[in-house]
Amino acid sequence: AQKVTQAQTEISVVEKEDVTLDCVYETRDTTYYLFWYKQPPSGELVFLIRRNSFDEQNEISGRYSWNFQKSTSSFNFTITASQVVDSAVYFCALTSPGKLIFGQGTTLQVKP
Amino acid sequence: DTGVSQDPRHKITKRGQNVTFRCDPISEHNRLYWYRQTLGQGPEFLTYFQNEAQLEKSRLLSDRFSAERPKGSFSTLEIQRTEQGDSAMYLCASSPLGGGPVGYYEQYFGPGTRLTVT
Repeated sequence: AQKVTQAQTEISVVEKEDVTLDCVYETRDTTYYLFWYKQPPSGELVFLIRRNSFDEQNEISGRYSWNFQKSTSSFNFTITASQVVDSAVYFCALTSPGKLIFGQGTTLQVKP
Repeated sequence: DTGVSQDPRHKITKRGQNVTFRCDPISEHNRLYWYRQTLGQGPEFLTYFQNEAQLEKSRLLSDRFSAERPKGSFSTLEIQRTEQGDSAMYLCASSPLGGGPVGYYEQYFGPGTRLTVT
């Protein structure tokens, strides 16, 4: 069965610190897609990134970067120089197929 | 605004009453999904449509739940004889069908309908 585990329930950092959110997944599919979503206090889920199972290149977008390692079934998300506006719940998700299987989320609090 | 919209945003109902929620997806999106999210948890899949066809239903979707997408555009989710355990945020999402494989396209979420059953 497909499963996504985000072991960190809550993380608190001070502004400008770097922070990494962990995501570990389980699937028997050979082709699959991994996603990260952000859920700010307003509640609406915002898509951040998609990664397919055949592309293990790391990706950087501004202060955000993602590290996908198939060997350890991990898809970690790093925010560099965190800002207060990064405070939100972050979800990692896996396709199964079509529908998304979400982790429990990591609440990130960035303090000024 | 061309995003996914949901109505109502909040619903308070008494146990045993029926409720219906509406979702309007992004206009060119063929796939529409319903999820349920309880406090402190990630969204859980309920069902999804490709055009008007309901292709998959989760075992979470008991007989009291029914979803429709009659013309392949908007969708409704009805809960009959509501129970306190139905209190949650109900999220709708849509994605394009496109030419990619299943699951390739990201899903765009609406703001959700928060249901409180008293």
